[in-house]
Amino acid sequence: NAGVTQTPKFQVLKTGQSMTLQCAQDMNHEYMSWYRQDPGMGLRLIHYSVGAGITDQGEVPNGYNVSRSTTEDFPLRLLSAAPSQTSVYFCASRVGGSSGNTIYFGEGSWLTVV
Amino acid sequence: RKEVEQDPGPFNVPEGATVAFNCTYSNSASQSFFWYRQDCRKEPKLLMSVYSSGNEDGRFTAQLNRASQYISLLIRDSKLSDSATYLCAVNKEVTNAGKSTFGDGTTLTVKP
Repeated sequence: NAGVTQTPKFQVLKTGQSMTLQCAQDMNHEYMSWYRQDPGMGLRLIHYSVGAGITDQGEVPNGYNVSRSTTEDFPLRLLSAAPSQTSVYFCASRVGGSSGNTIYFGEGSWLTVV
Repeated sequence: RKEVEQDPGPFNVPEGATVAFNCTYSNSASQSFFWYRQDCRKEPKLLMSVYSSGNEDGRFTAQLNRASQYISLLIRDSKLSDSATYLCAVNKEVTNAGKSTFGDGTTLTVKP
């Protein structure tokens, strides 16, 4: 019963390095999203996807790329890490269309950029 | 001004108390509204959807006031296990497509 799986759970990067946060869901959900959550704050939408091959920008997309080549996977790429990208990253998914409102979040990826 | 605003608290209440949280939103085109619960260092989990007619789930009651653009969450008979951060979320779509705008959360601590 995996649900939404994020890897890695913890990562320390040096400024300027690139990396990919992985997100996979096994529920055949069409909608997937990436959020970041800074300390004491709510979640802010980075990118989202309504299906394989379709992605769009959210509120804070700068410095991040996404792709959706399969229904299951929605990786988030940091192109050149900056200290301002230190945050907790949550991937989320839900079934497409109007069937229900439950969004399932992964357990989060804690990223520190030094 | 933030699009979605919540009183950050913290709210410290004794067991058995009734506590209410409000959340205001600025975009009058918002269509759907939700409350999430987030435990420390955990992912958010959907607590309730919020409808104009109001909805209740056990000790939890959610209300939407479109005219004043706020939603509320009422917790009756608070339990120690209710201690968490409560996030409100607002969508421009009728359904919860995962493109939510979140408030910063209200922290609740229920004490014995």
